[in-house]
Amino acid sequence: EAAVTQSPRNKVTVTGGNVTLSCRQTNSHNYMYWYRQDTGHGLRLIHYSYGAGNLQIGDVPDGYKATRTTQEDFFLLLELASPSQTSLYFCASSDELIQNTLYFGAGTRLSVL
Amino acid sequence: GQGVEQPDNLMSVEGTFARVNCTYSTSGFNGLSWYQQREGHAPVFLSYVVLDGLKDSGHFSTFLSRSNGYSYLLLTELQIKDSASYLCAVRMVGDNSKLIWGLGTSLVVNP
Repeated sequence: EAAVTQSPRNKVTVTGGNVTLSCRQTNSHNYMYWYRQDTGHGLRLIHYSYGAGNLQIGDVPDGYKATRTTQEDFFLLLELASPSQTSLYFCASSDELIQNTLYFGAGTRLSVL
Repeated sequence: GQGVEQPDNLMSVEGTFARVNCTYSTSGFNGLSWYQQREGHAPVFLSYVVLDGLKDSGHFSTFLSRSNGYSYLLLTELQIKDSASYLCAVRMVGDNSKLIWGLGTSLVVNP
């Protein structure tokens, strides 16, 4: 049973559209992350959180908001989507004491037309 | 500047071995991880090292030299299904929630 579940798996929207990507983890982990992966750039950290109600800015936060509503649930919000946000998005979780081991969700492929 | 470097591609033959290299330059060092990512799938954790030397985990072994900013992942008795991208990620001291990721090495195992 998948411990990190992302939804939707695929999403197509138009420029200026509003998109919410969802992530739920059942690992009882404190840390959760949102990454984007693009050819030539590798994995880039957008936002992360170390607990419900906490939000930390990653390396490429512009154009993204995030919210951690519970220990299990972490959302990524694109309020005015742009074509540059077309990417493969991964959510991940890690234990506070073993932070080098990330458990990834299956990914969401987002296309902004 | 800070960064993690990996060769783009690597080819090997089924039944033999492959060594995936990773060099890094970071502000301090607090561990290095290796992940496997198959095409169209998420990265999967393989190994974590923080001390110098070779860590033997059977099919996958990991070597680290902190003084040289160098690590490698060694895959032995290669199988076709080992064809994947292998990602190296380094954690710096003082920022325990961020990793610096390499772009990955695409390994192709031929029959």
